[in-house]
Amino acid sequence: DGGITQSPKYLFRKEGQNVTLSCEQNLNHDAMYWYRQDPGQGLRLIYYSQIVNDFQKGDIAEGYSVSREKKESFPLTVTSAQKNPTAFYLCASSPLTGGIDTDTQYFGPGTRLTVL
Amino acid sequence: AQRVTQPEKLLSVFKGAPVELKCNYSYSGSPELFWYVQYSRQRLQLLLRHISRESIKGFTADLNKGETSFHLKKPFAQEEDSAMYYCALSGNAGGTSYGKLTFGQGTILTVHP
Repeated sequence: DGGITQSPKYLFRKEGQNVTLSCEQNLNHDAMYWYRQDPGQGLRLIYYSQIVNDFQKGDIAEGYSVSREKKESFPLTVTSAQKNPTAFYLCASSPLTGGIDTDTQYFGPGTRLTVL
Repeated sequence: AQRVTQPEKLLSVFKGAPVELKCNYSYSGSPELFWYVQYSRQRLQLLLRHISRESIKGFTADLNKGETSFHLKKPFAQEEDSAMYYCALSGNAGGTSYGKLTFGQGTILTVHP
C-alpha cells in the first residue's frame, strides 16, 4: 500500500487558480495514471504515462496537464480551464512488465480537491 | 470504443445471502476483465481478474464472452463485504493495452446483519 503516495489528502482552491496534485511511487512501475472519481460516474481516466517524458490524454484531459520527468513521479495540474474541478483524484501505477500482473493497477489514497 | 456497464448503483443483501454484482462490457477485441474493491477509508484495490480464475474472499467471477458479462458472485455474503465494487476492462487491441483500464460506474454493496 505505501508504494504509491498522494499529497495532499485535502486541497482547497479558489476559482481561477491552478493547483498541482502530487503522486509518487516506489514500486518501479513503468506506467502511471490519473483518474477522477465522481459519484455515480465511476473512475474516468484523465492522463496516463507509460514511460518517462511521455504521456497521453485520457478520456477527460481538458483542463488538466501532467509531466513525467522521473519514473517515480507523475504530478497532475488542475488548471483554471477545468470547469468542474471539485472531485476526488486517484493516481495509480502499473508494472507493464508482460507478466500476469502487467495490467494490474495499484492505487494511491487519493486527493480530494474542493474549489471554493 | 470500449465500455463497461454496472447496472446497479446500490445493492443490499442480508448476511448469509447470495450476492451477485452485475457487469457487462462492450469491446470488439479480446478483453481482460477485473473487479476492484474500495472498502470504507481504504484505497481502491484489485479483488480479482478473470485470467487468474481464482476465488478471492469467497468471490468468483466468470467471463461469459457470449453474453459479454463478468458478474461477481459470492454464495454467502458477509458484513465485511460491504464496499464499493468496480468492474474494469483492459482492452488488448493490437496486442498492446498500455495498461489502460475502463471502469464501470461502480456498485455500492451493503450487507446487513
